[in-house]
Amino acid sequence: DGGITQSPKYLFRKEGQNVTLSCEQNLNHDAMYWYRQDPGQGLRLIYYSQIVNDFQKGDIAEGYSVSREKKESFPLTVTSAQKNPTAFYLCASSILAGGQSEQFFGPGTRLTVL
Amino acid sequence: GESVGLHLPTLSVQEGDNSIINCAYSNSASDYFIWYKQESGKGPQFIIDIRSNMDKRQGQRVTVLLNKTVKHLSLQIAATQPGDSAVYFCAESSGGSYIPTFGRGTSLIVHP
Repeated sequence: DGGITQSPKYLFRKEGQNVTLSCEQNLNHDAMYWYRQDPGQGLRLIYYSQIVNDFQKGDIAEGYSVSREKKESFPLTVTSAQKNPTAFYLCASSILAGGQSEQFFGPGTRLTVL
Repeated sequence: GESVGLHLPTLSVQEGDNSIINCAYSNSASDYFIWYKQESGKGPQFIIDIRSNMDKRQGQRVTVLLNKTVKHLSLQIAATQPGDSAVYFCAESSGGSYIPTFGRGTSLIVHP
């Protein structure tokens, strides 16, 4: 059963702590993405990766870091430098061969900073 | 239309009616468009896509219309059901880019 998974579903963090959100896909997709969604807002791109060991900043990368050591995995670390980290975080993947195509999204992680 | 503050544009319909959700885009170079459905607390799901060489594309109960002249995209849902209640996003990309730009979304509420 192919898909994209995120864990945990809910995450609570104290101010000043780093936290890592997991994203795994078994769709054999080349590209992976991290988005942030705030209430009543669209999706804003944090980071994306089109190939293993390479990634690029999106529109709101400050305070976040990523790695892409394996094709299947694209973890996102929310650092203490992110001033307003409470949000719904969405991971997505897409195939690159054959041109533009839709993104497949995970179920999301809701991060709350206490 | 544009939403104000945290409030999304909302469309309320009765079960069985047809729904039309609109999306305006600004980049005349956009050549690939997608509609996503997002249920509360979940990730967006792909509904239908259309490329700029087409004006219309139909799926199961859904139709996407593209008017490149006025840079407007619409999603029509036939015989709307309560399970269609969700936020609907349009996304656009251009020049072969794999990075889409998402709209703010429209909340569809279907009353039984």
